[in-house]
Amino acid sequence: QVQLVESGGGVVQPGRSLRLSCAASGFIFSDYAMHWVRQAPGKGLEWVAVVSYDGSDEYYADSVKGRFSVSRDNSQNTLYLQMNSLRVDDTAVYFCAKDGLLLVLGDYFDHWGQGTLVAVSS
Amino acid sequence: SYVLTQPPSVSVAPGKTAKITCGGSNIEIKSVHWYQQRPGQAPVLVIYNNGDRPSGISERFSGSNSGDTATLTISRVEAGDEADYYCQLWDVDSDRLFGPGTKVTVL
Repeated sequence: QVQLVESGGGVVQPGRSLRLSCAASGFIFSDYAMHWVRQAPGKGLEWVAVVSYDGSDEYYADSVKGRFSVSRDNSQNTLYLQMNSLRVDDTAVYFCAKDGLLLVLGDYFDHWGQGTLVAVSS
Repeated sequence: SYVLTQPPSVSVAPGKTAKITCGGSNIEIKSVHWYQQRPGQAPVLVIYNNGDRPSGISERFSGSNSGDTATLTISRVEAGDEADYYCQLWDVDSDRLFGPGTKVTVL
């Protein structure tokens, strides 16, 4: 069965950096685009970024463009999110999510991890 | 940018039918997806491409999309259906966009 396990969250000061990881198993990781979606405390869901199945394409929400970078290591079945210049309003649970379509950049998420909490506070 | 609207809350008695709406301009030309999120848990895809159901999702969940409104319908509601429900779509200007969510309360 599909498993996605995020790690790397924690408390960080504004302006600092953090890297999240998502370990994938139970499917052919290199065949699917992968996404990051976040949820601020008590708020709704916000899509953050996507990387194509082979890592050649990346897209970002305007709120993180220029500060966050998504990447993947298909040899290690792992997805990453490098977060720089963190702001208080980046505080959220960050979920990794598998794209629903094979070998293309799809627009829905058919499996989700349990999330990792990032708290940006001075 | 594209805007999605959902009612903040819907209440329904057990065994009855709940309808959760997702409004957007001419939304019928877009593919709408729905997620269930129980408290403290990750979201789960319950409907994709307007009305398709992933394997393992109860047939009590169905979806439709017409005009300016997409609808998630939950038939024969159970206590375990109590959750937040989010619609989501892709838009050329707004990219992958979620609605604000609807809290479903089972009375």
